[in-house]
Parts: sequence; C-alpha cells; structure tokens
Amino acid sequence: GESVGLHLPTLSVQEGDNSIINCAYSNSASDYFIWYKQESGKGPQFIIDIRSNMDKRQGQRVTVLLNKTVKHLSLQIAATQPGDSAVYFCAELPNTGNQFYFGTGTSLTVIP
Amino acid sequence: KAGVTQTPRYLIKTRGQQVTLSCSPISGHRSVSWYQQTPGQGLQFLFEYFSETQRNKGNFPGRFSGRQFSNSRSEMNVSTLELGDSALYLCASSLSERHTQYFGPGTRLTVL
Repeated sequence: GESVGLHLPTLSVQEGDNSIINCAYSNSASDYFIWYKQESGKGPQFIIDIRSNMDKRQGQRVTVLLNKTVKHLSLQIAATQPGDSAVYFCAELPNTGNQFYFGTGTSLTVIP
Repeated sequence: KAGVTQTPRYLIKTRGQQVTLSCSPISGHRSVSWYQQTPGQGLQFLFEYFSETQRNKGNFPGRFSGRQFSNSRSEMNVSTLELGDSALYLCASSLSERHTQYFGPGTRLTVL
C-alpha cells in the first residue's frame, strides 16, 4: 500500500515565527496533494492543495512546496498565531486511483 | 453552502452491539468516503461511495459496511462491536473522483 510519512510528530514555535511542517510520500506517481489542519475535537479542515505540475502554491499565510525529485511536501505558515495550534496532515492521491492516503500528522504548538 | 454533517456526534455502545453512523455530504457532492481515526494513527480508509456504488474498500473486516442513498447521503454500520472499534469516524465528501475531500466533524464512538 501507499505510505505517507511525516518527519516530525511535534513542533513548537514562538508566536510570530514561521512554521515549516514536512511530509514525505512514497508514490512518485502521485499527482495531487492536500494539507489539512485538525483542531482538537474537530474534523480535518482543508488548508491548501497542489498538483504535481506545480512546485509551489501560496494561500493566505500558507505556502505549500512540492519537491517531486525527493518526494517531499512541506507546509509553511507565516507569522504563526496561537490559532494555528493543531495537528496538520498531508494527503496524497496516486494518479492510478481515487483513494487518498494520509500521513499520521504533526502536532503544532504555538507558544505565546 | 453547508458543510459535511455527521450524526450523531457522540455514541457510547457496549461490546457486541451494532451501530449506524450517518453522513450528509456537501450539496452537489457525489462521492463520500469514510475513515477511522484512532490516537497515534493516521486516518485509516474504510470505504468510498460514488453514485450509490462502493468503489473502494480499505482493509477492515466485514463487520464494517456502508451504503449510499440516491441523495448522496451515506451511512456506515459496524456490527458486533469490539473495544478496538472505539475511534473517531470521519466522513469526507468530494464533488467527484479525484477532487478535494472535505471532512465532517466526525462521530466519536466509544465501545465499553
């Protein structure tokens, strides 16, 4: 099966600093990736996505970078705020199917 | 547009019982996927329905089943509950195959 892994299970950052959350994926044929944010007691919330024909995509305070050479995905959060504290998941969609594969998540804690 | 809704939000059952969970997708979405989430685990894929047909199934025993109705609403059923079935069950809907999945708040199932 597919495996999507996260480099760090936990990450603590100071409020106002930038955060970088990493994700490794195993299937070089995957062509669609999503980052989700899950707050305690809630379902995962869509943050940003990127397709394999791009290597960078920006949203509001967030940027996703895709490095297909090393099969690596990262989420950058600018000026991290206490409300950003949550677990972040990456998801991968292989081009041969329609089932997403999810990483185990990174817990981000923002220190005021 | 209303998001994905799941009912009930919380359930407490005893071993051997069965349970039915409900999911209403975003209006216009035809694909519904179900996931199990437990502490320390990523999201484990259960199954996916599209136009009332199960297209994909994860590695779960036959005690886990589901269905989708003509209005795209979906239910999942777990029979002969075991302690290990305690988890957050998440439903996600998407417009069609290979589109972004949007999650509901989940149903927290506790098996005693």
